[in-house]
Amino acid sequence: GNSVTQMEGPVTLSEEAFLTINCTYTATGYPSLFWYVQYPGEGLQLLLKATKADDKGSNKGFEATYRKETTSFHLEKGSVQVSDSAVYFCALKGSFGNEKLTFGTGTRLTIIP
Amino acid sequence: SQTIHQWPATLVQPVGSPLSLECTVEGTSNPNLYWYRQAAGRGLQLLFYSVGIGQISSEVPQNLSASRPQDRQFILSSKKLLLSDSGFYLCAWSVGRGWETQYFGPGTRLLVL
Repeated sequence: GNSVTQMEGPVTLSEEAFLTINCTYTATGYPSLFWYVQYPGEGLQLLLKATKADDKGSNKGFEATYRKETTSFHLEKGSVQVSDSAVYFCALKGSFGNEKLTFGTGTRLTIIP
Repeated sequence: SQTIHQWPATLVQPVGSPLSLECTVEGTSNPNLYWYRQAAGRGLQLLFYSVGIGQISSEVPQNLSASRPQDRQFILSSKKLLLSDSGFYLCAWSVGRGWETQYFGPGTRLLVL
């Protein structure tokens, strides 16, 4: 079945540092890939997505590139801010019909001033 | 624009008591609706999904049930809560035949004592 593996947290960085959160997946066919963000006390919000190989999703300074050869969708940001502190979830949706979203376990990110 | 509401935001219940959590969506018709649970320190677990009124699919056997009495209303229930039911419950919606991009509500934090 489909699965998503994220780097374990928590991750703590200083403001303006470079961020990478690793995500790899296992799926048949050509899944769509997503990053969701959960700010403290809130529900999940879609951050970015990519629907085919080599696509780059981007939003709010975050980027992730769909790498089929390495089955990865790593999240990156060049300069993080305190307001980026949140839990980040990588997810995939299988390409066959009515498949559900499969989420990773989440990575808690804390940015210190 | 579409919005999703969940209530209550926080709930503390004794073991053995009943539960009813409500989710409503505005601004869209015939959405797919989902209930997820996020236990402390863990990822998201899909509990139920619904593609239409009265149509409920259960993903995991458990102490909970779901109902969809109206097109944009999704209810999560239990007759007798267990300690293990504590967690953060998220409702989500999507449109289309597949499980495309999902939009999450603000969540309900449930503590069973």
